[in-house]
Amino acid sequence: DAGITQSPRYKITETGRQVTLMCHQTWSHSYMFWYRQDLGHGLRLIYYSAAADITDKGEVPDGYVVSRSKTENFPLTLESATRSQTSVYFCASSGDRANYGYTFGSGTRLTVV
Amino acid sequence: GQNIDQPTEMTATEGAIVQINCTYQTSGFNGLFWYQQHAGEAPTFLSYNVLDGLEEKGRFSSFLSRSKGYSYLLLKELQMKDSASYLCAVSRSGQNFVFGPGTRLSVLP
Repeated sequence: DAGITQSPRYKITETGRQVTLMCHQTWSHSYMFWYRQDLGHGLRLIYYSAAADITDKGEVPDGYVVSRSKTENFPLTLESATRSQTSVYFCASSGDRANYGYTFGSGTRLTVV
Repeated sequence: GQNIDQPTEMTATEGAIVQINCTYQTSGFNGLFWYQQHAGEAPTFLSYNVLDGLEEKGRFSSFLSRSKGYSYLLLKELQMKDSASYLCAVSRSGQNFVFGPGTRLSVLP
């Protein structure tokens, strides 16, 4: 299916475990982003990528790792999950022109217990 | 620094008009976006302004004043399905966005 898909939709993990959230887009968009959304904070940028093999930190990158070996995939890894990383994670993609805006995936609700 | 302000909550009646304001102070400006987000769902694109003035799209309009660092989203003929959060986002450069905290709109019958 065309679009941007995230998996899993829901995830419960234990403190200290490594977990990877997947994001896949079919538009060949150059830009991809990872945001987390928490009550009282709105959407905060974790990492973004302007092209394959190019990634950069956002506002809240600590504790997260990303990679982008292929244009269509942008996985986000929590190396050692903490309870403060309980959140809803959104992946987004965008074309090169500013007025394209973002298209968001459906989100992953992650709970760290 | 970066600062985007929106009212936290608003309430309006079905059929009415509501204006949601957004003020911003950002380093760099490359356009302002409005997104709609229903509870438990992803944000969806509503509008984009890069020049001063009003952009109209059906029941929704968005206004921008760059000199004042101010935008508003105007929703006309409110419907129950318009109950959602509305996010203001500023593009600082290229695709580097900063999102406001969002305004939760409740539409009452």
